[in-house]
Amino acid sequence: DAGVTQSPTHLIKTRGQHVTLRCSPISGHKSVSWYQQVLGQGPQFIFQYYEKEERGRGNFPDRFSARQFPNYSSELNVNALLLGDSALYLCASSLLRLADYEQYFGPGTRLTVT
Amino acid sequence: LAKTTQPISMDSYEGQEVNITCSHNNIATNDYITWYQQFPSQGPRFIIQGYKTKVTNEVASLFIPADRKSSTLSLPRVSLSDTAVYYCLVGPQYIFGTGTRLKVLA
Repeated sequence: DAGVTQSPTHLIKTRGQHVTLRCSPISGHKSVSWYQQVLGQGPQFIFQYYEKEERGRGNFPDRFSARQFPNYSSELNVNALLLGDSALYLCASSLLRLADYEQYFGPGTRLTVT
Repeated sequence: LAKTTQPISMDSYEGQEVNITCSHNNIATNDYITWYQQFPSQGPRFIIQGYKTKVTNEVASLFIPADRKSSTLSLPRVSLSDTAVYYCLVGPQYIFGTGTRLKVLA
């Protein structure tokens, strides 16, 4: 069975640009979460979506937005990119919405903002 | 939300048992304890989860004392490939700390 997939693998953008990252969850998983991981730190929670609705949001500015599609795949959008947005962006899926249920992470998208 | 405290780093040798302790003094009654492993430039991987006493799977054991204010992840006979960052999470599985950087030496 395929795991969580993310695209693209790597991305280089310029300050002020917009970026869209994509995630496909494990088949049957209805919950998708997004994380930002800066080098040397643990993943920071951005969003959780369950059944196409936002169920949780971390402490990130409104430049960050996301959505989940009927097939449970998801997109993370970041507007007006800043140098500080350079990070590994991780997507995780889980079977249920419950916060104590194990998550399966994708390989991540490495975003570099210059 | 329960805050966790882990050692920043640990070194071990191949074949040894490694124990990583996590402190979580204000754990809530309904909180589970979960550990993840992360290799460089990869997403975290679920290792084990428990609520009390001892949990064991094919990869690790998790020891939780009666007061549940701490937990210990035990990795038996580590190998070089166990070099990674290990995260202890308490409660919602979206709050990661800085983790413990384990380095296994030959």
